[in-house]
Amino acid sequence: DVKVTQSSRYLVKRTGEKVFLECVQDMDHENMFWYRQDPGLGLRLIYFSYDVKMKEKGDIPEGYSVSREKKERFSLILESASTNQTSMYLCASSLSQGSYGYTFGSGTRLTVV
Amino acid sequence: QKEVEQNSGPLSVPEGAIASLNCTYSDRVSQSFFWYRQYSGKSPELIMSIYSNGDKEDGRFTAQLNKASQYVSLLIRDSQPSDSATYLCAVNTGNQFYFGTGTSLTVIP
Repeated sequence: DVKVTQSSRYLVKRTGEKVFLECVQDMDHENMFWYRQDPGLGLRLIYFSYDVKMKEKGDIPEGYSVSREKKERFSLILESASTNQTSMYLCASSLSQGSYGYTFGSGTRLTVV
Repeated sequence: QKEVEQNSGPLSVPEGAIASLNCTYSDRVSQSFFWYRQYSGKSPELIMSIYSNGDKEDGRFTAQLNKASQYVSLLIRDSQPSDSATYLCAVNTGNQFYFGTGTSLTVIP
């Protein structure tokens, strides 16, 4: 069964901390994505990657960076966590061209205090 | 103008009724269309995909696509309380997906 695994289900971090969110997929998918989801705002794309060591900014990249050193792993980094980054973070992957839809990870609920 | 628009609801239907969820999109070159179901506190799961005009049926679910009208819908027949969730419409244009904000559905026993 196709799987996208996010390392943490719940995280609580302090303002100013550097935060790493990890995502691993076992489907040999080329494309990987990071979204945040907030009530009333829907899914907002932070960053995406179509290949190893490649990254593209999404709609809301400010305050975030990403790393893709291996095809199966896509990490989201909050350089200096702030309270407005409290959110549900969702990782997703897809085959090239996205014709088959995304597979989402189970999500990480991040609270910044 | 948003890429993908859905009625936010909430939509309430009695158990056994047909639930109808609607979605419009703005980019005429969109190629692939998807419906995701998201239970509260969980991540979205893909339930239907449709690529050509017309209807596509899978069990109690029917997706309908009309590219001329830039409209895609999801019908849920014989609605069950377990169908209560938020339904997200997603449209693929090239390599990127655009999601609607979702329609909340409640099926009343």
